[in-house]
Amino acid sequence: DAGVTQSPTHLIKTRGQQVTLRCSPKSGHDTVSWYQQALGQGPQFIFQYYEEEERQRGNFPDRFSGHQFPNYSSELNVNALLLGDSALYLCASSPLADTQYFGPGTRLTVL
Amino acid sequence: QKEVEQDPGPLSVPEGAIVSLNCTYSNSAFQYFMWYRQYSRKGPELLMYTYSSGNKEDGRFTAQVDKSSKYISLFIRDSQPSDSATYLCAMSAIIHAGKSTFGDGTTLTVKP
Repeated sequence: DAGVTQSPTHLIKTRGQQVTLRCSPKSGHDTVSWYQQALGQGPQFIFQYYEEEERQRGNFPDRFSGHQFPNYSSELNVNALLLGDSALYLCASSPLADTQYFGPGTRLTVL
Repeated sequence: QKEVEQDPGPLSVPEGAIVSLNCTYSNSAFQYFMWYRQYSRKGPELLMYTYSSGNKEDGRFTAQVDKSSKYISLFIRDSQPSDSATYLCAMSAIIHAGKSTFGDGTTLTVKP
């Protein structure tokens, strides 16, 4: 049984560009959350999707948006990239009433 | 001030030592407490989670939660070089459909 998968593994963009990151949850998991982890810091909650709707959102600007598909996979979109958006982006999935499991992350570098 | 504060470390111990990792928090709504292990450039791996106050043991790992003091700990007995990683505490008010708030991690090195 595959765990949470994310693509791509690494990504390099320039300031002002847009990026889309993808996540496939673990089988049986219907909830997907996205986190941003800057170097030397803990993950920061961006938002969470359940039944294709955003349920909760952390303290991130509207440049960060997402989507969940009927098969529970999810995308994170970031517009107008800033240097400070460089980080490891983590996707976590969970089943109902249980804790979440993380994917390996996508490392985004903004130049 | 952050909702979750974690002892920053880094921590270096000899193989076989008992390791204590600690976090404090300020949000009384937190009910679920997790410990994750993260190797360099990898995603966090769930080690243990506990609900409310008390102790939970899993092999060489013991998690303790003291809600009255807003303090949680992870103990590692008979530490091994393979335990060398960054340990993250995390907390949430609701286990499902609830965001987790993380500490900034403690980096542990276990020397052979």
